[in-house]
Amino acid sequence: EPEVTQTPSHQVTQMGQEVILRCVPISNHLYFYWYRQILGQKVEFLVSFYNNEISEKSEIFDDQFSVERPDGSNFTLKIRSTKLEDSAMYFCASSLGGAAGELFFGEGSRLTVL
Amino acid sequence: GEDVEQSLFLSVREGDSSVINCTYTDSSSTYLYWYKQEPGAGLQLLTYIFSNMDMKQDQRLTVLLNKKDKHLSLRIADTQTGDSAIYFCAERSILTGGGNKLTFGTGTQLKVEL
Repeated sequence: EPEVTQTPSHQVTQMGQEVILRCVPISNHLYFYWYRQILGQKVEFLVSFYNNEISEKSEIFDDQFSVERPDGSNFTLKIRSTKLEDSAMYFCASSLGGAAGELFFGEGSRLTVL
Repeated sequence: GEDVEQSLFLSVREGDSSVINCTYTDSSSTYLYWYKQEPGAGLQLLTYIFSNMDMKQDQRLTVLLNKKDKHLSLRIADTQTGDSAIYFCAERSILTGGGNKLTFGTGTQLKVEL
């Protein structure tokens, strides 16, 4: 069964460092998303991406964040200069969009900022 | 804006039924979802219901939707220890770009005791 895969599963970084989280969405899906879950809190929407551009982003997704689909299979989330409060589980998801729009999530990348 | 609320904990005995409740605010939601998250794992889509339905049954899972009260519930029959996990309710809104955004509840931690 097709699935969304994410790497790394866990990354530890120092505050101020750049981090790139990688995702391989399901191959025929058109929409790609990043969500995050701070420990003990809700899963929150960060950004959606379609046709090589951001289609919507939340207030959380500020200038420190960027997304890219560099090669037609990977979908990346970059955090330019990490802060302690960026520590969270980051989930990638993909969907066909439209009425058949179920989101399929990866297993998450846990980011720990020290 | 959208908001989804759930109770935080539920404890049941193995073999009993579990009922996890959720309330949401967006009356235009067309789909409502239940996701399961096991420890250290990603978000697994369990089931969903379209807003013109009152009930959906899928093996041990029964979803009830009261659209008037904006109340959704998930019943798990014959609960097993393997059902211990966090269960997230989510409502879907369609983004202007055509993708789908999920708004998640806080999650209900289900503990199944022998």
